Amino acid sequence: DVVVTQTPLSLSVTPGQPASISCKSSQSLLHSGGKTFLYWYLQKPGQSPQLLIYEVSSRFSGVPDRFSGSGSGTDFTLKISRVEAEDVGIYYCMQGIHLPYIFGQGTKLEIK
Amino acid sequence: EVQLVESGGGLVQPGVSLRLSCVASGFTFSNYWMSWVRQSPGKGLEWVANMNQDGSEKYYVGSVKGRFTISRDNAKNSLYLQMNSLRAEDTAVYYCARDGIIRGDYWGQGTLVTVSS
Repeated sequence: DVVVTQTPLSLSVTPGQPASISCKSSQSLLHSGGKTFLYWYLQKPGQSPQLLIYEVSSRFSGVPDRFSGSGSGTDFTLKISRVEAEDVGIYYCMQGIHLPYIFGQGTKLEIK
Repeated sequence: EVQLVESGGGLVQPGVSLRLSCVASGFTFSNYWMSWVRQSPGKGLEWVANMNQDGSEKYYVGSVKGRFTISRDNAKNSLYLQMNSLRAEDTAVYYCARDGIIRGDYWGQGTLVTVSS
């Protein structure tokens, strides 16, 4: 199975400051059709996961533009330009091209 | 509005069976792949299984192969997960998720399965 590694596992950020999470895959997530199947989800406390970013860099409907995704092949990054209190939770990346789909370990974001 | 509502969880003993259901609304269910994803208490997310629109393709994570069966009834807008020979390590919240061109764009609220003697 593909191995997906997220770093760091925890972040403590002052409101208004940026945050960055890395996600590395053991295999390329680039499909022959040109799309790269890397997703970012946020699980807020007590809630189900919600999709933030799909195909590396496309924001899902309703996701604020302070969230951005980048990367290619096997290395990806989620950036929050200015962290807000409502951004607390656990962020997961997921590779969605090789079965079984694999999630990263999760990165817990806390507010200082 | 897309909605996914899971049910069927509960406390069961090791070795028994349980069937989870997920009822979908707000979209054309028969047009989408669907997935089950689970989360053990205090742990991360684990994709469990998915299937295509007509049920002709089904995929499972290795730890549940041969024990779990994913199925659907498009007439009832419903997704199912038949779980047999349950083990303590299957204890988790089980989510159904829409698995279309955008994987996991909508998730249900989850149903808790606890396997314990």
